[in-house]
Amino acid sequence: DSGVTQTPKHLITATGQRVTLRCSPRSGDLSVYWYQQSLDQGLQFLIQYYNGEERAKGNILERFSAQQFPDLHSELNLSSLELGDSALYFCASSVEGFSSTDTQYFGPGTRLTVL
Amino acid sequence: GQQLNQSPQSMFIQEGEDVSMNCTSSSIFNTWLWYKQDPGEGPVLLIALYKAGELTSNGRLTAQFGITRKDSFLNISASIPSDVGIYFCAGQGGENNDMRFGAGTRLTVKP
Repeated sequence: DSGVTQTPKHLITATGQRVTLRCSPRSGDLSVYWYQQSLDQGLQFLIQYYNGEERAKGNILERFSAQQFPDLHSELNLSSLELGDSALYFCASSVEGFSSTDTQYFGPGTRLTVL
Repeated sequence: GQQLNQSPQSMFIQEGEDVSMNCTSSSIFNTWLWYKQDPGEGPVLLIALYKAGELTSNGRLTAQFGITRKDSFLNISASIPSDVGIYFCAGQGGENNDMRFGAGTRLTVKP
């Protein structure tokens, strides 16, 4: 158990819909990261938040957005869903961020299926 | 973004054999990481490397951070059935200040 929690574990929805994925970081970690893992693209970094502020952006689509709340939990919002958005979405947390030497610990993931 | 080049893609080995996999990149990273992922689970950190040239062991696992900061390898000695899974390398920080992953090495260990 990494200490990072994600809900829900599974999500099935239809094209065009909007969903919200939730992540609680490890106690004491200020950074939260979101990743997408699909069969054809592997693990892709989406976005990082540090202490409530966006810190780094990766391959995140405009239809996706995220935020980190004062209690440090984070939500990833996916809208206008397409079939190709079906994937595993992982959250990870670390004490600081990419520029430091600390490391990320991953949650169990949310499996999103878009029908 | 450009992912890392990880090889081999898959390996089928006999229990007790040693395994070696590596990752290369066109970019420099500050940190190299190796993760293992079991089906339906999130990646679990195995080894973290913070300095160019660093050689680090964790039990039967040994990993090295390349001198050029553009590559890393992971060795597993005396493999056992529970080593089965997908191993990912990751480069963190550096020129792009983000995190990039290799495509993974799928390891199968035959008892």
